[in-house]
Amino acid sequence: EAGVAQSPRYKIIEKRQSVAFWCNPISGHATLYWYQQILGQGPKLLIQFQNNGVVDDSQLPKDRFSAERLKGVDSTLKIQPAKLEDSAVYLCASSLASNYEQYFGPGTRLTVT
Amino acid sequence: KNQVEQSPQSLIILEGKNCTLQCNYTVSPFSNLRWYKQDTGRGPVSLTIMTFSENTKSNGRYTATLDADTKQSSLHITASQLSDSASYICVVGYQKVTFGTGTKLQVIP
Repeated sequence: EAGVAQSPRYKIIEKRQSVAFWCNPISGHATLYWYQQILGQGPKLLIQFQNNGVVDDSQLPKDRFSAERLKGVDSTLKIQPAKLEDSAVYLCASSLASNYEQYFGPGTRLTVT
Repeated sequence: KNQVEQSPQSLIILEGKNCTLQCNYTVSPFSNLRWYKQDTGRGPVSLTIMTFSENTKSNGRYTATLDADTKQSSLHITASQLSDSASYICVVGYQKVTFGTGTKLQVIP
């Protein structure tokens, strides 16, 4: 069974630039999550999708972050414009449904200079 | 406020030794507790998952315990190996999960 795929694995940008991350969940998983993990901390949920609908985006900085999950499969997370404090690993995870075990992708390490 | 606290923050042990990691939580309602292993540069991988009615769960050399009354869990690693070097994250939740900040374990030869 293929796992959660993410790209790119690494990205370096200057502040005020924009960046986008892509996630392909495990086939058949209805729930998709985006997390931000700052070095030395646990993952923080940014947004949770159930199919193509948003379940929870209470911690998403909506002035600069946006996410979509077209057709309830792949998802993209965008940051525009980026700030220095956005430097982190962005993890995508998927599960069969909410409260089921989450399977994580390898993450995208973002460095904002 | 839902919180998950882990201790110690970091730990260094000799290869072959045992160790125990702690997790205290205030999350309510509680459905299940999971321990994840996160290697450097990788996403977290599930080790164990326990519901409130379970008090122990093993996965090879990893054994997790849960005391739902005191809201405490521990992860015991037996006969540590160099490959056990990673961060171990405790995750507690119902429909919305709360992540701990993790314990960084380093196993040295």
